Amino acid sequence: ETGVTQTPRHLVMGMTNKKSLKCEQHLGHNAMYWYKQSAKKPLELMFVYNFKEQTENNSVPSRFSPECPNSSHLFLHLHTLQPEDSALYLCASSQDPREAETEAFFGQGTRLTVV
Amino acid sequence: GNSVTQMEGPVTLSEEAFLTINCTYTATGYPSLFWYVQYPGEGLQLLLKATKADDKGSNKGFEATYRKETTSFHLEKGSVQVSDSAVYFCALSVKTGNQFYFGTGTSLTVIP
Repeated sequence: ETGVTQTPRHLVMGMTNKKSLKCEQHLGHNAMYWYKQSAKKPLELMFVYNFKEQTENNSVPSRFSPECPNSSHLFLHLHTLQPEDSALYLCASSQDPREAETEAFFGQGTRLTVV
Repeated sequence: GNSVTQMEGPVTLSEEAFLTINCTYTATGYPSLFWYVQYPGEGLQLLLKATKADDKGSNKGFEATYRKETTSFHLEKGSVQVSDSAVYFCALSVKTGNQFYFGTGTSLTVIP
């Protein structure tokens, strides 16, 4: 039990589909993150939300659309993806990252395959 | 800027061997430093952390010491086990930033 739960764990979708990834945390944290982890590549930060406000968008294509309705939930809406978007998508949460002594807590990830 | 550099992998060791995974950093400000571990098919888990110079983080036999003078946070374990096979990530955060900065990860395989 990590305190950060991601659903689904595995997802296969066609390039014309629309799907959403969900992340939920019960740790009372204020910040939530989406990371992309591809084989043989460094961990890529995609989006950061702090107190429900998006504070970072690392030049992510518009086919990825984040949503943070409250401090406990984070979504990643997917549409018209490409095969190269296949990866492990990791959600994380933390206290305010400007309080540098806090650590990030990760979910188990969603393994996405685009066919 | 803020960044973390880890030694390239993969690393393969025999059981009970000594492990060192090097990590150095650059940071604007005074960072906190972390080691995370990722087992196959899982997310990242915090292994240990240190928040000020000369602090030693430790957990499950792993240790790392925050060395400000050499801007390093090397991970060590005296005797590795097969169950330690995983990918290890060094990371930092700074109060002037709004995110965590991760190294590229080092894959460790321990063979019986």
